[in-house]
Amino acid sequence: GAGVSQSPRYKVAKRGQDVALRCDPISGHVSLFWYQQALGQGPEFLTYFQNEAQLDKSGLPSDRFFAERPEGSVSTLKIQRTQQEDSAVYLCASSSLKGLADYTGELFFGEGSRLTVL
Amino acid sequence: DQQVKQNSPSLSVQEGRISILNCDYTNSMFDYFLWYKKYPAEGPTFLISISSIKDKNEDGRFTVFLNKSAKHLSLHIVPSQPGDSAVYFCAAAVAAGNKLTFGGGTRVLVKP
Repeated sequence: GAGVSQSPRYKVAKRGQDVALRCDPISGHVSLFWYQQALGQGPEFLTYFQNEAQLDKSGLPSDRFFAERPEGSVSTLKIQRTQQEDSAVYLCASSSLKGLADYTGELFFGEGSRLTVL
Repeated sequence: DQQVKQNSPSLSVQEGRISILNCDYTNSMFDYFLWYKKYPAEGPTFLISISSIKDKNEDGRFTVFLNKSAKHLSLHIVPSQPGDSAVYFCAAAVAAGNKLTFGGGTRVLVKP
């Protein structure tokens, strides 16, 4: 498909397990973002890549969270030793760099990976 | 510290009438403002945006108004249709290409 693809769509993990969530952005999109959306709340920024460079990881809640984008396309968000408070929908979004004159700030989101930690 | 706030968690409106969604922000560095729409089990989809150099942007049935002095923006949907029933998120960024800060969302129900 032409959109942002995320897998798995649903993941159930036991507390303490490690999980890996994958994001396949729109082809050619330079920027890639990860967001965490808790139930009933708005998405919260986790981290940002421009090509393979992780330029901002200020939103990662702890050192258990790690993201990578080694070849500047597919990205993986890894959560080690999952805790119940990690239960959320993890959204990936991508965008192309545009000139400031016509930039709308639009991010294209995937459908998300819903993580439930028991 | 919520930098973007949507104080109305829900809104119910009759089909054909106007829906008005409000959003307040605290960070005066925000330069771009966007509205996203989200259906259940789907990712947010972009609706409309406005940069801080404008005070109004219109796209079909959707109009966004920005009041910089009040740090307030609103989204008007007219006429509202049943297919508009969704959660709407307000978002802001300090610069082009930068991360978005989202509000908590407003659930809109358009009654036929």
